[in-house]
Amino acid sequence: QKEVEQDPGPLSVPEGAIVSLNCTYSNSAFQYFMWYRQYSRKGPELLMYTYSSGNKEDGRFTAQVDKSSKYISLFIRDSQPSDSATYLCAMRTGGSYIPTFGRGTSLIVHP
Amino acid sequence: EAGVTQFPSHSVIEKGQTVTLRCDPISGHDNLYWYRRVMGKEIKFLLHFVKESKQDESGMPNNRFLAERTGGTYSTLKVQPAELEDSGVYFCASSPDPNYNEQFFGPGTRLTVL
Repeated sequence: QKEVEQDPGPLSVPEGAIVSLNCTYSNSAFQYFMWYRQYSRKGPELLMYTYSSGNKEDGRFTAQVDKSSKYISLFIRDSQPSDSATYLCAMRTGGSYIPTFGRGTSLIVHP
Repeated sequence: EAGVTQFPSHSVIEKGQTVTLRCDPISGHDNLYWYRRVMGKEIKFLLHFVKESKQDESGMPNNRFLAERTGGTYSTLKVQPAELEDSGVYFCASSPDPNYNEQFFGPGTRLTVL
C-alpha cells in the first residue's frame, strides 16, 4: 500500500464548478499537509499548507484535513480555465523535512 | 527575484552515456533538494543539501548517481552510466530553512535514456 493515494484523473469540469480534490494516506505520523499546483512544463508551486485537522481557506481555495480518517481535500470554488493544472498533495511528519507526494490529479476546467 | 533554474530543460542520451544536470537555487537558500518523477509515478525525494553538505541522501537510487554542491551555491547531479530506468523528470527545489513548509521548485529537467 502506498503511503499517499491520489486519483490521477483527469477530472474535467465546466467553468464555475466547485472542484473537490482528495488524497488518503496511511502514515498516522504525518502532521503537515500541503497542496501544490503544477502547470505543464513547470515545477510544482505551493498553494496551501495546513498543520492540524480542520479547514483553511485562502480565496477560492479551501484545504481540509481529517486526521481521524487520514483524508485530505482541496476545494476550488468558482473554478476557472486558468485553474487547469495538476494538483499534488504532499505531507510530512514532524521529524522529517522531506514531503511524501501523491501522484497528482490532472484538472481540466473547460469554458 | 529569480526562481530556481535548471539546465538543461531536456536531455536525450543513450544507455551507458553520462549526463550532468545543473540546478541554481534561489539566492540565499541554504537548503537544496533533488527529486525525480518517473512517468506515471509520484515525485520521489533523492537528496538534501544544507549549504555544501549532504544532509540526507537516502533517496539516491544507487551509486551511478552523484550529486555535488559547489561552495553551497549551484548543484549538479551526474548519472553515470545512465540506464533506461533513469528516464524521468528531475526537479530541484530550494528553501531558506528546512522547517519552512514551502520548497521552491525549478521547472525540471526531462531526461530520456534510449
